[in-house]
Amino acid sequence: GQQVMQIPQYQHVQEGEDFTTYCNSSTTLSNIQWYKQRPGGHPVFLIQLVKSGEVKKQKRLTFQFGEAKKNSSLHITATQTTDVGTYFCAGLGVTGGGNKLTFGTGTQLKVEL
Amino acid sequence: DGGITQSPKYLFRKEGQNVTLSCEQNLNHDAMYWYRQDPGQGLRLIYYSQIVNDFQKGDIAEGYSVSREKKESFPLTVTSAQKNPTAFYLCASTPRGQGYEQYFGPGTRLTVT
Repeated sequence: GQQVMQIPQYQHVQEGEDFTTYCNSSTTLSNIQWYKQRPGGHPVFLIQLVKSGEVKKQKRLTFQFGEAKKNSSLHITATQTTDVGTYFCAGLGVTGGGNKLTFGTGTQLKVEL
Repeated sequence: DGGITQSPKYLFRKEGQNVTLSCEQNLNHDAMYWYRQDPGQGLRLIYYSQIVNDFQKGDIAEGYSVSREKKESFPLTVTSAQKNPTAFYLCASTPRGQGYEQYFGPGTRLTVT
């Protein structure tokens, strides 16, 4: 079945440092979504990427979808304490029998002052 | 306010008891989902429903049951057959299929002892 892996599992940075999380799928994806979950909270949708090689920016966050549509990354420039949380990617498969959204294992980000 | 509500936030049960988790949405979304989240892991799909009176098993449906008698409601029953029921349960909805942004409820943390 489809598997979506994320690395690293944890990342501890000083405020102001950059952060990147990587997402890799075992199969080609139709699209990929990114979510943020604050400690004790629920996942909140950040963005969706659909096209091969697509790059989208939201302020300090940059999202990329790989050319082969099997990997993606989220990069945060100059982290702030408000960035703390777990970031999940979720890939929508293209296999027959119904599209299926599979969540990655998440990257937990901690930001120190 | 439009959104998804889950109740209760915390639930404690004795082993061997069935328990039903509530999920209600007023977003007029067709599709609803139940996920399970364990520490350090991503979200795993239990069941989903794309239309009233129809639902499909996800990746980890064993020991769970659902119903979808109304568009707004998608309750999940954790049965005594579920071997390891203690977890954080999240309900989500999308306008139609899984290719859309998922709106999550606040979650129910179930502890079974």
